[in-house]
Amino acid sequence: GQQVMQIPQYQHVQEGEDFTTYCNSSTTLSNIQWYKQRPGGHPVFLIQLVKSGEVKKQKRLTFQFGEAKKNSSLHITATQTTDVGTYFCAANSGGSNYKLTFGKGTLLTVNP
Amino acid sequence: DADVTQTPRNRITKTGKRIMLECSQTKGHDRMYWYRQDPGLGLRLIYYSFDVKDINKGEISDGYSVSRQAQAKFSLSLESAIPNQTALYFCATRDRGEQFFGPGTRLTVL
Repeated sequence: GQQVMQIPQYQHVQEGEDFTTYCNSSTTLSNIQWYKQRPGGHPVFLIQLVKSGEVKKQKRLTFQFGEAKKNSSLHITATQTTDVGTYFCAANSGGSNYKLTFGKGTLLTVNP
Repeated sequence: DADVTQTPRNRITKTGKRIMLECSQTKGHDRMYWYRQDPGLGLRLIYYSFDVKDINKGEISDGYSVSRQAQAKFSLSLESAIPNQTALYFCATRDRGEQFFGPGTRLTVL
C-alpha cells in the first residue's frame, strides 16, 4: 500500500535555529497533510497541500509540496520552545480520498 | 478537541481480558477511524467506517474488532488482549480534509 517515508526521525536544535522535516513517496500523491502532536497530546491538523509546487506559510512555518507531488517538507524558522513535538505528514492511501497513511513522524526537541 | 471524546483515557488490563474503547463525536462527521500509536512507528490504521453500515479493515486489524453503533459512536474492542497491544489508541473523525483526533486512550496489557 501507500507509504510515506519521513526523515529525520529525531531532531534536536538550539532555540533560534531552523528545523526541517521531509516526507517522500514513491508514488504521486493527490495531496499531503501535516499534523503536530505535542508531548502527551493528540495530533492536530496544520495544513493540507494540493497543488504541484505549492508553498504555504503559517507564521514561522513554511510548507512545500514538490513539483512531482512525491515529496513535501515542513520548515520552521527560528525555533521556539513552543515548537516542541512530533510532526507527521499524511497522504491519502489506497485510492481513497478519505483514508490517510501517516509518516512515522519527526520528534523535535528545542534546547532553550 | 472536545468534539471527539474517548473513554477510558487510561486502562490497565491483563492478558486474555476483553476490553472496549469508546469514541464519541459531536462534529456530525460520517467518517470515523481508529489508530494505534507506538513509539517510532507513527500512527497505524486499525479500522475505519464511512457510515453506520460501512466498516473497513485498516493495515493492522488482526486482534481487534469494531462497532459503529450510531453516526456519533465508534467502539474498538480487543477480544482477548495481549501484551503487544499495549499502545496509545486514537479515535478520529474526518469531513473532507483534516482529521480531528480524540485525546487518546493509553492501554497497558500486563
